[in-house]
Amino acid sequence: AQSVTQPDIHITVSEGASLELRCNYSYGATPYLFWYVQSPGQGLQLLLKYFSGDTLVQGIKGFEAEFKRSQSSFNLRKPSVHWSDAAEYFCAVGSRYGNTGKLIFGQGTTLQVKP
Amino acid sequence: NAGVTQTPKFQVLKTGQSMTLQCAQDMNHEYMSWYRQDPGMGLRLIHYSVGAGITDQGEVPNGYNVSRSTTEDFPLRLLSAAPSQTSVYFCASSYGGQGRNGYTFGSGTRLTVV
Repeated sequence: AQSVTQPDIHITVSEGASLELRCNYSYGATPYLFWYVQSPGQGLQLLLKYFSGDTLVQGIKGFEAEFKRSQSSFNLRKPSVHWSDAAEYFCAVGSRYGNTGKLIFGQGTTLQVKP
Repeated sequence: NAGVTQTPKFQVLKTGQSMTLQCAQDMNHEYMSWYRQDPGMGLRLIHYSVGAGITDQGEVPNGYNVSRSTTEDFPLRLLSAAPSQTSVYFCASSYGGQGRNGYTFGSGTRLTVV
């Protein structure tokens, strides 16, 4: 069955420290991959996406993610976290086949930033 | 550009009542979806559409109906509200093959069924 796993429900990092949020997927073929961020009481905002080419993708707000086919992973990273990065982060995958445009989301990782 | 607009933002329903959550987008996107968000469960797909006149079920469609008579609008109807439908509902739209350009989300409707 298709699924997305974000192993860390909650992560706390100090401001200025580096960040890595993990995402693993189970899919029949390499899917489209996305990371979204949700601030409290808000909708989701697209951070970055991967569908082909360079496996290291750059996104908004200084985030990047690396696709590793061998590990079925798409981990999100940021070199130096800012207090405004505190939010919930969702990894999502979409199929390349069949005209559905459906996304499957992970359970989310809540990021807390310590001053 | 307003993006994806959802109304209402908040709603309280009594068990058994029906209502429609409205969703409109002004970006001429062909793909539209409805998700519900519950704590610890991420977002789960309720229904989706790949264009006007075409809709299909997602993973949690029971108790909900949709229609897509125009490209812009994708309303979600709750037929007979139940407490299990208490949730935050998000509408989203996208374009390009398989929605590969990522979805634009509305700000959500927080629904409580008592």
